[in-house]
Amino acid sequence: AQSVTQPDIHITVSEGASLELRCNYSYGATPYLFWYVQSPGQGLQLLLKYFSGDTLVQGIKGFEAEFKRSQSSFNLRKPSVHWSDAAEYFCAVGAGSGGYQKVTFGIGTKLQVIP
Amino acid sequence: DTGVSQNPRHKITKRGQNVTFRCDPISEHNRLYWYRQTLGQGPEFLTYFQNEAQLEKSRLLSDRFSAERPKGSFSTLEIQRTEQGDSAMYLCASSLKRTNTGELFFGEGSRLTVL
Repeated sequence: AQSVTQPDIHITVSEGASLELRCNYSYGATPYLFWYVQSPGQGLQLLLKYFSGDTLVQGIKGFEAEFKRSQSSFNLRKPSVHWSDAAEYFCAVGAGSGGYQKVTFGIGTKLQVIP
Repeated sequence: DTGVSQNPRHKITKRGQNVTFRCDPISEHNRLYWYRQTLGQGPEFLTYFQNEAQLEKSRLLSDRFSAERPKGSFSTLEIQRTEQGDSAMYLCASSLKRTNTGELFFGEGSRLTVL
């Protein structure tokens, strides 16, 4: 079965600083990878996704992520953080066959942005 | 384009009572999922429907939980004889089988508090 590890439960960055959120996955084949963001009291919104092809994917709100097969990682990055980026970020892996991808989420990383 | 809609958004109940949540997916989406999210955790898979057929259930879904999607459109999640451990955010998501990428579109969730 697939799994996702997000080693950082809480991260604090200054506004304008760069950001990298770590994600490692476990799955035997090539997975589908996602980053979702959840603001307080809200549902999850998709930031970006990787299915195949270019290993550097661009998402919404200026986020990007890089798939590294050798490291089983899919880290999320943003060059300059804005106060509105404060939220919880979830890495997820979709894995399966036969026309169905079961999506498993990590525990999440809560991002705090300080002025 | 209306997104995934969940009702009620908040429910407070006493232990032992039954509760029911409703989810209206994006209209053309034929796949529907229920997840549960507790404080400090990522969403955990509960069950999955393709059209009206319930194709997978997690071991987390005890016999007090039942989910239906009678006409392949909206879905209900009923919890009987609620326990304090059922307190959580119940998230509904939908997706389109044709794309088969695992990308999920989430509602804002239904928060359950069991006193």
